[in-house]
Amino acid sequence: DIQMTQSPSSLSASVGDRVTITCRASHGISSWLAWYQQKPGKAPKSLIYAASSLQSGVPSRFSGSGSGTDFTLTISSLQPEDFATYYCQQYNSYPLTFGGGTKVEIK
Amino acid sequence: QVQLQESGPGLVTPSGTLSLTCAVSGDSLSSSNWCSWVRQSPGKGLEWIGKVYHSGSTNYNPSLKSRVTISVDKSKNQFSLKLTSVTAADTAVYYCAIYSTVTGFDPWGQGTLVTVSS
Repeated sequence: DIQMTQSPSSLSASVGDRVTITCRASHGISSWLAWYQQKPGKAPKSLIYAASSLQSGVPSRFSGSGSGTDFTLTISSLQPEDFATYYCQQYNSYPLTFGGGTKVEIK
Repeated sequence: QVQLQESGPGLVTPSGTLSLTCAVSGDSLSSSNWCSWVRQSPGKGLEWIGKVYHSGSTNYNPSLKSRVTISVDKSKNQFSLKLTSVTAADTAVYYCAIYSTVTGFDPWGQGTLVTVSS
C-alpha cells in the first residue's frame, strides 16, 4: 500500500495568512493526487485533483502543486470559511489511500 | 448536479452484517464513473472500502476484502455496501461517493453513522 503522510497534523493561522500543507507519498504516484476539505459533521469536499487542477466552484485562493512523492496545498489568503481539516489522497494504485489530515485552526 | 444519499440501519449487532444503500440522483449510474464507499471512524481519518462500476466490476481494499460486497442496481440508480462479521472497529461514518480515475472522489453523500454494539 502507498502510505500518505501529511504535515503538519495541525496548524494555527489567522485570517489573511498564507497556509501551506504538505503531503508525501511512500512511493511515486505521478500526479494522481487529490485534496479534500472537511468541516465538522460534514462530508469531505473535493478541492483539487491531478495534483494541481481546481475543482469547479473552488475559490482560486486554493492551489496545489507537486508530482512524484511530494505535494503541497496552498491557501493564499486564509478566509474564515477555510478553517477545516484537509486530506490528501492518492489514486495512482490500489488500495486508494488518504493522508492522516491537517487541521487548520484559528489563531 | 449529481447528489448522493446514504441509507440503512444506524445500529448493527456484533458479528452481524452492515448493509447500506446509496441513492444517486441527477445522473445515471450507466455513466463512465465508479461508485465507491469510504468510511471514517470517530475522530479518525478516511479509509477507502471499495468501488463498483456500472458493469458490476469491483475493486476492494484488501484489508476488508474478505468481508465486503459492493453491488449496483442500475434499475433503481443506486448501489449498496454489505460488510459481514462486524465488530466495534467497524463503527464509523460511512460515505458513498462517485469516483473518477481522473478527478478522484466527487461528489460525496452526506454520510451515515453506523454503530456496532449489542
